[in-house]
Amino acid sequence: SQKIEQNSEALNIQEGKTATLTCNYTNYSPAYLQWYRQDPGRGPVFLLLIRENEKEKRKERLKVTFDTTLKQSLFHITASQPADSATYLCALSNNAGNMLTFGGGTRLMVKP
Amino acid sequence: GAVVSQHPSRVICKSGTSVKIECRSLDFQATTMFWYRQFPKQSLMLMATSNEGSKATYEQGVEKDKFLINHASLTLSTLTVTSAHPEDSSFYICSAGREASYNSPLHFGNGTRLTVT
Repeated sequence: SQKIEQNSEALNIQEGKTATLTCNYTNYSPAYLQWYRQDPGRGPVFLLLIRENEKEKRKERLKVTFDTTLKQSLFHITASQPADSATYLCALSNNAGNMLTFGGGTRLMVKP
Repeated sequence: GAVVSQHPSRVICKSGTSVKIECRSLDFQATTMFWYRQFPKQSLMLMATSNEGSKATYEQGVEKDKFLINHASLTLSTLTVTSAHPEDSSFYICSAGREASYNSPLHFGNGTRLTVT
């Protein structure tokens, strides 16, 4: 069965550093990959979408890569700030009309 | 501002009672809305897909008679947890996409924390 894996352990980094979060998947051929941010007690908020034929996407301090050979996406936050502290979820979908499937999320803690 | 509104944000009910949760798309029409359940420190589990004007599609293992979904208009879907039990206590979240594609970004409500005593 398809599986989406994100590091369940929290990632702690110092303010100003680059945070890198990983999303790995198996038994799946996604055409689209999305990243969301979720704060405690709130619903997720969409950040970026990347298509299978795109290697990289950027939005302000955010960068997402999508490697269909490695079956992996990396999510980078440059010049991280304490306000970036949240849980980040990756989600995959394909062109077969399957629902968006979410990974378990990785909690990021940026310390001042 | 929020484009999907979910109400109530918190509800406490007694075992055996029913609870209705509303999900509204505020500035777009949503023929499809999604309902999720999330346990602490776990991912979103899709419960069902709410389809305007037709029956909801439930994921495997989700009891349709327990979690009643009604999508009566293009901007409103409701989830009713019937005969709630303590094990139904959870965080329920709805979402909708502006585009009628499963690949389009989703807008989420802020969730409903249900506690069944």
